[in-house]
Amino acid sequence: DTAVSQTPKYLVTQMGNDKSIKCEQNLGHDTMYWYKQDSKKFLKIMFSYNNKELIINETVPNRFSPKSPDKAHLNLHINSLELGDSAVYFCASSPRQGASGNIQYFGAGTRLSVL
Amino acid sequence: EDQVTQSPEALRLQEGESSSLNCSYTVSGLRGLFWYRQDPGKGPEFLFTLYSAGEEKEKERLKATLTKKESFLHITAPKPEDSATYLCAVRYSGAGSYQLTFGKGTKLSVIP
Repeated sequence: DTAVSQTPKYLVTQMGNDKSIKCEQNLGHDTMYWYKQDSKKFLKIMFSYNNKELIINETVPNRFSPKSPDKAHLNLHINSLELGDSAVYFCASSPRQGASGNIQYFGAGTRLSVL
Repeated sequence: EDQVTQSPEALRLQEGESSSLNCSYTVSGLRGLFWYRQDPGKGPEFLFTLYSAGEEKEKERLKATLTKKESFLHITAPKPEDSATYLCAVRYSGAGSYQLTFGKGTKLSVIP
């Protein structure tokens, strides 16, 4: 049973297209995240949602829009894709603040390639 | 200036050759230091959390320690299956309480 699952695993698309990445967690966690890992393997937070409410929104182009239909799902929509958006995107989840040291559990990642 | 710095960037060890990875941080108000392991093509996998200076945690061949400004991940008699990138992250009071700030990782290769 996969705890944090992302789809698709690979995404190859042309510049200018709009794409979405889906994330689901079955851990019963309240908080979910999106991270971007660039070619140098640096993992950086993009967004965080707590119980469907946005709580972290780092300096990310507004072409990126997270959507949380319920606390088990956090999807990432990307409009007008650019070459620099090529990276691996990771979804993660954690228990609510103060619980279990806020350990974050990660999905397997979505490798996005923009041509 | 990076808030979390890991060294070395890459480390090659012979099987059985013990060593340590370093994670230093400049943030104040540490609320937790986390070690993760990342295998190629996979997401980070949680290893340890440390909260206060002097704390130690162990798991198989790995032992994590914490001082006031750095943490060490000691690997005793490593095996090839320990090859991975090891990531360090901190949670601190200056950032959102949910937020982890990661270092760039140390890529460990253990040669049989």
